Amino acid sequence: DIQMTQSPSSLSTSVGDRVTITCRASQTIYHYLNWYQQKAGKAPNLLIFGASSLQSGVPSRFSGSGSGTDFTLTISSLQPEDFATYYCQQSYSYPYTFGQGTKLEIK
Amino acid sequence: EVQLVESGGGLVQPGRSLRLSCTASGFSFGVYGLGWFRQVPGKGLEWLGLIRSKAYSETPEYAASVKDRFTISRDDSKSIAYLQMNSLRTEDAAVYYCTRLNKLGSSWDIDAFDFWGQGTMVTVSS
Repeated sequence: DIQMTQSPSSLSTSVGDRVTITCRASQTIYHYLNWYQQKAGKAPNLLIFGASSLQSGVPSRFSGSGSGTDFTLTISSLQPEDFATYYCQQSYSYPYTFGQGTKLEIK
Repeated sequence: EVQLVESGGGLVQPGRSLRLSCTASGFSFGVYGLGWFRQVPGKGLEWLGLIRSKAYSETPEYAASVKDRFTISRDDSKSIAYLQMNSLRTEDAAVYYCTRLNKLGSSWDIDAFDFWGQGTMVTVSS
């Protein structure tokens, strides 16, 4: 199985901050990497697919980059509604696996 | 509007079975694959499996943790997907989500789960 490792596990941040979350795969997954946002008590929401493509309806302050084994999710200017948990997920090979999540908290 | 609604969750004894349903609306159900996930409250997401569309032979794939106990199926005439769970264990207790599986990207080769249901809780306890 491909292991996905996110860092940090949690981050205290403020509105307006630039935030970067990293995700590392245990083997190359090329560009088969998706990012999801999950708010408390809600289902996840697809933000980024294919490492860098913004899902329809997602604000442009979200961006993704990387390929191979190392990926990043960047939020250019954190908004109040962005405080949530973020997960990376590989869809290169079965079983599809997730990172452990990164929780953004208000500083 | 795309909607996925899970049902069938609840309290079940260890060793028993439960079938979850996922009723879809707002899109051409037969064209898309469906995925199932679960999440223990306060913990991370776990992929359980998926079933592809008829165009991809409706091939199901499963996580090792549920293979041979869980079965994913679909009824395109009703726009419903199912997750049959047998021999349930206490560690299967979680919120279960169904999702739409879409193939995205410039080459339509990236599996991504672009719509999710609200989830249904499964409790396994005697």
